[in-house]
Amino acid sequence: RKEVEQDPGPFNVPEGATVAFNCTYSNSASQSFFWYRQDCRKEPKLLMSVYSSGNEDGRFTAQLNRASQYISLLIRDSKLSDSATYLCVVKITRSSSARQLTFGSGTQLTVLP
Amino acid sequence: EAQVTQNPRYLITVTGKKLTVTCSQNMNHEYMSWYRQDPGLGLRQIYYSMNVEVTDKGDVPEGYKVSRKEKRNFPLILESPSPNQTSLYFCASSTGGRNYGYTFGSGTRLTVV
Repeated sequence: RKEVEQDPGPFNVPEGATVAFNCTYSNSASQSFFWYRQDCRKEPKLLMSVYSSGNEDGRFTAQLNRASQYISLLIRDSKLSDSATYLCVVKITRSSSARQLTFGSGTQLTVLP
Repeated sequence: EAQVTQNPRYLITVTGKKLTVTCSQNMNHEYMSWYRQDPGLGLRQIYYSMNVEVTDKGDVPEGYKVSRKEKRNFPLILESPSPNQTSLYFCASSTGGRNYGYTFGSGTRLTVV
């Protein structure tokens, strides 16, 4: 079983739609959670951190459910420029005390005009 | 501008010919890491470094070497590249703090023929 699992999509939605991505993680020792965005053939870029209390950044809302080991990202009023792959990322402290990011395989979003 | 710089961006080489991909960051980050990204497999960690002269294996270290002689540089070395190392490689750096994500370089697309 993968440590971080996401629905690969693709999600094809019209402009203005609301779209939700889900992610589950298997390691209960996971400490920090993030959503990254990756455009085709480019580097991943941090979209937002995810906190237990839930957090919002403009049209983007992220939520974490530690009991269910589940993370979500909601995008409201989607724009053409939101088209990208969204990566669910979990930070885990290994035995060496190094904190390692583990990535999901990503969910592909295409926003259609 | 705060950034992670990788070189080269594109490289085609032949099996067995040693190569080095350079990575440099100007943010005084302690933590640096190398990832490879393959279709369907997502981003997988190759090696990481918690500080100068401190390096450790990630999830897929076979066939790779790294060094961390200076804080800003973290080169990835392929002593004898093979076709299964054809991939998109990313270098990343972070302060290492629990709630901080990574900053990624622009990537190196390597083809081994």
